[in-house]
Amino acid sequence: KAGVTQTPRYLIKTRGQQVTLSCSPISGHRSVSWYQQTPGQGLQFLFEYFSETQRNKGNFPGRFSGRQFSNSRSEMNVSTLELGDSALYLCASSLDPSYEQYFGPGTRLTVT
Amino acid sequence: DQQVKQNSPSLSVQEGRISILNCDYTNSMFDYFLWYKKYPAEGPTFLISISSIKDKNEDGRFTVFLNKSAKHLSLHIVPSQPGDSAVYFCAAKRTGANSKLTFGKGITLSVRP
Repeated sequence: KAGVTQTPRYLIKTRGQQVTLSCSPISGHRSVSWYQQTPGQGLQFLFEYFSETQRNKGNFPGRFSGRQFSNSRSEMNVSTLELGDSALYLCASSLDPSYEQYFGPGTRLTVT
Repeated sequence: DQQVKQNSPSLSVQEGRISILNCDYTNSMFDYFLWYKKYPAEGPTFLISISSIKDKNEDGRFTVFLNKSAKHLSLHIVPSQPGDSAVYFCAAKRTGANSKLTFGKGITLSVRP
C-alpha cells in the first residue's frame, strides 16, 4: 500500500507570497493532520480534517488554512508568507482520528 | 505551555547497550501515548504506543513503560543498534472526539558502533 505523499517536497518563496501544499493520504484513510516542524520546537499541530470537516485547529494565525476533498486528499495554504514560516510541513493520515498517524516525508518551505 | 516534555535534547549510547528515552507530560487527561522515530529528510515513523490502562507494552527490541502517577513514560531500546540513531518524538492524546496529538520536542539518539 502506498504511503502518504506530499507535494512539492521543496519550495522556496519570498515574503508576502502565498503557498499551497498538497497531501495524499494512504488509501482508505479519512483523517489528515498537518504539522509544522521547526528546529527546537518539535512538531506543532496545525489542523486536522476528517471526512472533509476540520475537527481541530492549533494555535496558528489565520494566514494558515486548509481543506480536505471528498477523496480525502488535503491541501494547506499559507498566505502573506513571513520568514518565520520557513519550516518542514508534515502531513499525517489515519483511518480515523483515534488510530495511529502515518506521516509523509514533508514539504520543506523556505521563505526568503 | 509544553504539555509533553522531552527534557534531554540528546542521548549517546554504545551499540549493544540499552537506550532509555524519557518523556513527561502535564495533562492528566492524556490517556494514549505514542513514540515516533524520525530520520533526516523523512517524516516521523510510528514506533510503539501504550494506553493508560497498561503500564508496559513491548514490541521486539522496543518497550514503552508508563507511570501514570508520575506522568512519565520511557522508551527502552535493547539492544541498541547504529540504525536506531534518529530523533525520537514522544506524543500524547486524549482518546475520543476532537482530540489531537501533542508532541514533545524530540530527543536525538546516537548509537556508537
